[in-house]
Amino acid sequence: GNSVTQMEGPVTLSEEAFLTINCTYTATGYPSLFWYVQYPGEGLQLLLKATKADDKGSNKGFEATYRKETTSFHLEKGSVQVSDSAVYFCALGPYSGAGSYQLTFGKGTKLSVIP
Amino acid sequence: IAGITQAPTSQILAAGRRMTLRCTQDMRHNAMYWYRQDLGLGLRLIHYSNTAGTTGKGEVPDGYSVSRANTDDFPLTLASAVPSQTSVYFCASSPLAGGTDTQYFGPGTRLTVL
Repeated sequence: GNSVTQMEGPVTLSEEAFLTINCTYTATGYPSLFWYVQYPGEGLQLLLKATKADDKGSNKGFEATYRKETTSFHLEKGSVQVSDSAVYFCALGPYSGAGSYQLTFGKGTKLSVIP
Repeated sequence: IAGITQAPTSQILAAGRRMTLRCTQDMRHNAMYWYRQDLGLGLRLIHYSNTAGTTGKGEVPDGYSVSRANTDDFPLTLASAVPSQTSVYFCASSPLAGGTDTQYFGPGTRLTVL
């Protein structure tokens, strides 16, 4: 079945540091890939997504590239801010026509950015 | 625009009691979902509905039931709560069913079963 593995946290960085959160997946076909972010006390919200191989999703300075050859979708940001402190979830959606509607989530990576 | 609302925000419940978590969306989305979030396990899908009148089971459906009488509402019922159902519950919706569509999440309900 489908699965998502993302690096375990927590991750603590100083402001303006470079961020990488690794995410790899196992899936049938050509899934869509997502990064969701959860700020303290809130629900999840979509950060970025990519629907086919070599697509790059980007938003708020974050980027992730859909790498089919390495089955990866690593999240990166060049210079983190305190406001980026949150829990980040990598997720996988089945390919269109699979007959399944379930998003598969990683376990989440908690990021803390200190001034 | 409210998006998705959930009620209650939090609840403490005695084991064996019946509880319904409410979820309402005002975006006219076809698909709706219920997840539970547990520390170290991420989010797991409980039930989903592709469109009004239909429902399906997710990864962890046991002990939960749902209904989808109309487009906007998707209540989740625990018929007889047990302590292992202590969790944070998130309702979500998407314009269309299917894994390529963005899901929009509500603020969550924190449930404690004693």
